[in-house]
Amino acid sequence: DVKVTQSSRYLVKRTGEKVFLECVQDMDHENMFWYRQDPGLGLRLIYFSYDVKMKEKGDIPEGYSVSREKKERFSLILESASTNQTSMYLCATKTERYGYTFGSGTRLTVV
Amino acid sequence: GESVGLHLPTLSVQEGDNSIINCAYSNSASDYFIWYKQESGKGPQFIIDIRSNMDKRQGQRVTVLLNKTVKHLSLQIAATQPGDSAVYFCAENRGATNKLIFGTGTLLAVQP
Repeated sequence: DVKVTQSSRYLVKRTGEKVFLECVQDMDHENMFWYRQDPGLGLRLIYFSYDVKMKEKGDIPEGYSVSREKKERFSLILESASTNQTSMYLCATKTERYGYTFGSGTRLTVV
Repeated sequence: GESVGLHLPTLSVQEGDNSIINCAYSNSASDYFIWYKQESGKGPQFIIDIRSNMDKRQGQRVTVLLNKTVKHLSLQIAATQPGDSAVYFCAENRGATNKLIFGTGTLLAVQP
């Protein structure tokens, strides 16, 4: 089975902190995605990556950046966390054969 | 704007009944649709998918129907069980962009 692992289930950070959310996949997939999930808004795409060192903005990239130095790892970075970035963050990979596979999510609270 | 949306935010059904969850989409260029189930504390899990050249696809206890004329997608769950209680999302994949666009989700609550 494809496995997508998000390193933290719960995080609490202070306003202004730099925050790293890590996502690791074990199947050598090229496509990786970061979504945030908020009540009433569903899942919204922040950034995605087709390959190492490649990245594309999603629908709500403001306040975020990403890093893909190795194929298996896709990091989401909040340069200066704000309270409106309190959310559930979901990482996913995609292949033609397996479709999309999601991690269990990281619930981030910014205080 | 382009969107994928659900008609009902909450659906309550009796155990053993059939459930129908509906979804509307607005982009006629979308070529692939997926239903996900998300249980509390977990990420979305794939249930079933359908391509735009199909009208119906069946899985184990689940059926997805696609009506391209009215841009409507539905998920039918037969003999609903307590373990089916979750939030269900429809999503469309616009093939050229390789992105998933999600609906806002429907909470399915199964009453024993």
